[in-house]
Amino acid sequence: ETGVTQSPTHLIKTRGQQVTLRCSSQSGHNTVSWYQQALGQGPQFIFQYYREEENGRGNFPPRFSGLQFPNYSSELNVNALELDDSALYLCASSLFDRDNSPLHFGNGTRLTVT
Amino acid sequence: DAKTTQPNSMESNEEEPVHLPCNHSTISGTDYIHWYRQLPSQGPEYVIHGLTSNVNNRMASLAIAEDRKSSTLILHRATLRDAAVYYCIGSPGGYQKVTFGIGTKLQVIP
Repeated sequence: ETGVTQSPTHLIKTRGQQVTLRCSSQSGHNTVSWYQQALGQGPQFIFQYYREEENGRGNFPPRFSGLQFPNYSSELNVNALELDDSALYLCASSLFDRDNSPLHFGNGTRLTVT
Repeated sequence: DAKTTQPNSMESNEEEPVHLPCNHSTISGTDYIHWYRQLPSQGPEYVIHGLTSNVNNRMASLAIAEDRKSSTLILHRATLRDAAVYYCIGSPGGYQKVTFGIGTKLQVIP
């Protein structure tokens, strides 16, 4: 089975710019969750998508937005980048319909904002 | 989601068993306990999960206290490849708003 893939692996942006990160979920999975991981911290939940709709959101401002496509792949968009947005962004897929289906993570996109 | 508490770091000698503790005193009766680990430069990897009974799989064992306020991840023979940050989380179904703590950084000494 194909695992979770994220692109790009690294990205450098300037403060105020916008960025789009992409995630292909593991085959058979219908749910995608996005996490932000700052250096030395655990992953922080941004939001989850199921059936192309946002299905739960963490404590992140509206400039963090997302999409899920019919093939269950997903995008994370961040507008008006700030220096504190520099982090590893992780995507995880799972099966929403199966109670407590484990999360399968990609290896992340390392975003640096200068 | 349930708040969990783990030691910041632990050490183990190679080929010895490792017991990684986690306190989750605020866990609800329907929250599962999940363990993940994260190797350097990789995303977290699922290890094991359980509700009330002890669980075993090819990677590890999970021992859950009878009152469910704590659990222990057991690696039966630590290898150098087990050196990672281990996260314990309490999760309702659907993984809504689950946030990971800082986790336990496990160092394996050859």
